[in-house]
Formats: sequence, C-alpha cells, structure tokens
Amino acid sequence: AQKVTQAQTEISVVEKEDVTLDCVYETRDTTYYLFWYKQPPSGELVFLIRRNSFDEQNEISGRYSWNFQKSTSSFNFTITASQVVDSAVYFCALSVVVYSGGGADGLTFGKGTHLIIQP
Amino acid sequence: AAGVIQSPRHLIKEKRETATLKCYPIPRHDTVYWYQQGPGQDPQFLISFYEKMQSDKGSIPDRFSAQQFSDYHSELNMSSLELGDSALYFCASSLEGGEVTEAFFGQGTRLTVV
Repeated sequence: AQKVTQAQTEISVVEKEDVTLDCVYETRDTTYYLFWYKQPPSGELVFLIRRNSFDEQNEISGRYSWNFQKSTSSFNFTITASQVVDSAVYFCALSVVVYSGGGADGLTFGKGTHLIIQP
Repeated sequence: AAGVIQSPRHLIKEKRETATLKCYPIPRHDTVYWYQQGPGQDPQFLISFYEKMQSDKGSIPDRFSAQQFSDYHSELNMSSLELGDSALYFCASSLEGGEVTEAFFGQGTRLTVV
C-alpha cells in the first residue's frame, strides 16, 4: 500500500518570502510517479508537476521548484518570492505503475498543506 | 486545449435519492478515474476505467457504480444517497492505459445531500 505524508497542515508567510512544502512518501514499488496539485479556493485541482521514480533531477518552473530525493523518499516543493495568488491547498500524490492487463491505479494523496500568503 | 468536462457542476439531492455524475475525458485519453473529496479532506480514489473496462477499485461504496462508454465518457451512479455522500466528486483522465502519466482533473461536481 502507498502512503503520502504532508506533515505541514498549514503554513502562513508574508508575500515575497520563500516557502517549502514537504512531502514524504512510502511505497514498496520501484516504479512510481509523484505529483503535486494546487487546489485554490474555487475548488479545482490544478496539475503542477509529475515526476517518475527514475528521474531524480530537480526541476524549476518559474517561481516553482521541486526537489526529489529518493534516499529520503521526499518530493518537496518550493515557491520562491511567494505571491498572494499562491494561496491554496497543495496536495502531493503518488501512483504506482500497473502493467498487467492495462489500466492504472488511482492516485494516493497526502492530506494537503494549506498555504496562506499574507500581503 | 480541451479539458476534462464534468456535469453537472452542482447537484442537490435528498437522502435516499439517486444521482448520476458525468465525465467527458480529454479527447484520446483512454483512462478515467473518479475521486471523492469530503469537506477539508484529501481526494479519495473511488474507481478507474481503462478502455471501457474497470481497471482498479478504491474506496467506492457498494451503493455506487460506474461505467465507461464506447465514446470514453464515464458516469458515476450513486443510489440511496446519505448525508455523508456530500462531497466534491472529481473525474480525471489520462493517456496510455497501464501507466499513469499526467492525470488531469475536471472542475468537479459538488454534491449536496439534504
């Protein structure tokens, strides 16, 4: 069984500060995918990034960056120079790869981190 | 670009009624997933379909059923609704069944059971 832990329930920072959201995962599978989603107050789930278990390269996209460390089973997400529009609940999620018979397992989500960016 | 379309966006039902939620995946996506997100909770995987066949089952109650049709759209049927079924229901779709790639979510259907 898979498990995703987001220990930070809520984080509040002042605009322009950098903030890191932690994600620790557990799985016995050697092939898996990790995701981050943003859920703003409007409720939709916005896909941010997908990383497979064989790709430990860190990634940067604008003010967003992700640090994947297999050794510590972590996939942390950093927002640089935060903005009020970054306020949302952020979910880390995990999925294992299923090859037999086609189809795919659903995502296992963490409990989410509520990020509040104060002006 | 076309996204995952869910209908209706909002639904109010009484206890013991039935509800049907619809999901239209991104064109050419062959896999559909259903999730339930209670208030203040993380999304919980219910069920998935690949090429019109049930692929995986999560925490879907026996009162719920789902199917994927020949045009790849999917419907989640919910019977004997309970107050606890009030939640946001998401559908997601992805390409390349057998391997989860990007899973794009619809905007969700907010079901309120009164």
